[in-house]
Amino acid sequence: NAGVTQTPKFQVLKTGQSMTLQCAQDMNHEYMSWYRQDPGMGLRLIHYSVGAGITDQGEVPNGYNVSRSTTEDFPLRLLSAAPSQTSVYFCASSYQGNSREQYFGPGTRLTVT
Amino acid sequence: RKEVEQDPGPFNVPEGATVAFNCTYSNSASQSFFWYRQDCRKEPKLLMSVYSSGNEDGRFTAQLNRASQYISLLIRDSKLSDSATYLCRTGNQFYFGTGTSLTVIP
Repeated sequence: NAGVTQTPKFQVLKTGQSMTLQCAQDMNHEYMSWYRQDPGMGLRLIHYSVGAGITDQGEVPNGYNVSRSTTEDFPLRLLSAAPSQTSVYFCASSYQGNSREQYFGPGTRLTVT
Repeated sequence: RKEVEQDPGPFNVPEGATVAFNCTYSNSASQSFFWYRQDCRKEPKLLMSVYSSGNEDGRFTAQLNRASQYISLLIRDSKLSDSATYLCRTGNQFYFGTGTSLTVIP
């Protein structure tokens, strides 16, 4: 199993550009989530999904969109990048929801100039 | 009040020392708890799950105090390789604490 994979590993965007961060898992996990991590802020939940076709907002959803058309994939879209979105983004998945351990992808380091 | 709160540290301890971190949680209905370890510029990885009063794995012990609503992580005989950030999460939400930074000094 590859586990949770994320692409790209690094990305530099200009303010106003859009892009999609990809996340895929091959463990047939129902739950997937996106976090951003900034220095001193820990992991902050952006959006999460409890299954294909179902998504919900986390703590910091503004500026981000998600969709979940398949169990395996959970892409995160930045509609109009801003410097405040410079961060490290982690995708995670878990079986049977938040009462079980999550498995994280390696992260995407995004810089918005 | 945040769902989960941790002392950010940093904790600097000598090799061989015992160190403990606490993680307080606000939702008294939480039934499961998780400690993750995160190395610099890497993803978090599960260190320990707690579904009852506590858990032990080698030098690591997690203890749950439901009355005071906190879970602790005890590391005995600290190694240089234990230097990392330790994050906690409760099982009723996807929210994490801000993490506690540990540096073990030779």
